Amino acid sequence: DADVTQTPRNRITKTGKRIMLECSQTKGHDRMYWYRQDPGLGLRLIYYSFDVKDINKGEISDGYSVSRQAQAKFSLSLESAIPNQTALYFCATRSLGTETGELFFGEGSRLTVL
Amino acid sequence: AQSVTQLGSHVSVSEGALVLLRCNYSSSVPPYLFWYVQYPNQGLQLLLKYTSAATLVKGINGFEAEFKKSETSFHLTKPSAHMSDAAEYFCAVSPPGTYKYIFGTGTRLKVLA
Repeated sequence: DADVTQTPRNRITKTGKRIMLECSQTKGHDRMYWYRQDPGLGLRLIYYSFDVKDINKGEISDGYSVSRQAQAKFSLSLESAIPNQTALYFCATRSLGTETGELFFGEGSRLTVL
Repeated sequence: AQSVTQLGSHVSVSEGALVLLRCNYSSSVPPYLFWYVQYPNQGLQLLLKYTSAATLVKGINGFEAEFKKSETSFHLTKPSAHMSDAAEYFCAVSPPGTYKYIFGTGTRLKVLA
């Protein structure tokens, strides 16, 4: 099983619908991140969390919200989806213990908003 | 502000040829530097990282990168490309003491038979 699991892997929805993308990890890491990938733009940070009570906005948080239900679970919500939120979304984790630690990524959730 | 520039959104090389993917960064202090690879329909995985130890860093699958402070560069190389190297490659920087990872826009590598 993957260390960082994202569900769903693919989702097609309509404008105005509420969507939740879920992320769970078995690595025991404190830090969790949500990124968005668009062709030609690389990865952009939406939200990040250092622990259950610490949630922070990234560079493109407008239109998104998150919930850290437990150390291992970090969900991303689109309250009212719009077409320009069509993208590939990645959850990532990192150990608190080392500053130079790498990010561990899930396999991504591809969202299409019609 | 820190930034990362990857020159060339698409690079094509012949199988067996040298792979060179370019990454330049802008940072007031030397950051930690990473190269990630993304194979189709997969997440990103770490190829290698520079954390202020040796300037020449060796990674997985025969890749290496050299940190050049004077040029603010961290180019990725591989002496001989394989078909399996076809993927998208991302350079990222993380300023010391921060939570942040700043990603470049990616370079898609195509390997020609």
